[in-house]
Amino acid sequence: AQTVTQSQPEMSVQEAETVTLSCTYDTSENNYYLFWYKQPPSRQMILVIRQEAYKQQNATENRFSVNFQKAAKSFSLKISDSQLGDTAMYFCAFEETGANNLFFGTGTRLTVIP
Amino acid sequence: ETGVTQSPTHLIKTRGQQVTLRCSSQSGHNTVSWYQQALGQGPQFIFQYYREEENGRGNFPPRFSGLQFPNYSSELNVNALELDDSALYLCASSHRDYYNEQFFGPGTRLTVL
Repeated sequence: AQTVTQSQPEMSVQEAETVTLSCTYDTSENNYYLFWYKQPPSRQMILVIRQEAYKQQNATENRFSVNFQKAAKSFSLKISDSQLGDTAMYFCAFEETGANNLFFGTGTRLTVIP
Repeated sequence: ETGVTQSPTHLIKTRGQQVTLRCSSQSGHNTVSWYQQALGQGPQFIFQYYREEENGRGNFPPRFSGLQFPNYSSELNVNALELDDSALYLCASSHRDYYNEQFFGPGTRLTVL
């Protein structure tokens, strides 16, 4: 069974600074996807970034980038130039290729301080 | 292109009752997945519907059931409600025939008293 672990329940960062959120996962699969989702107080889950396990290159989306370490089963999210609108719960999620269902971690609550 | 919508927004029921939650998928999507998110937790996969048939199920009892309609909208039904069923219920739509991200709705907050 797949498990996703987020060991940081809460984090805070000063506006314009950089923060890294941690995620580890456990799977016996070789082909899968990893995701970071953002859930603001409005509750709508929004995809931040996606990584295919077969790609060695780390995914980037503007201010968001990941550090994907397949052997270590680690998938951290780096947010650069943090903005007040980044304040939200962040969930790491795993999906086996073709399964189309997500396994989520317990989340990290990020607060950006002005 | 309309996004994923869910109704109702909030719902209060009493233990033992039955509830139906509704989800309209994003235009062009043929797959709907339902998730339960308890307070302070990450979402947990309940089941998925693809072309009107259940296509994968998580660790939820049979009193959680669903439907998908020809227009790909979906319902989640929960019978014999228990206090622990209180949660945010999220649906997500996607297109299973080629890889696509799952687009989530805003959720329905169910409170069981």
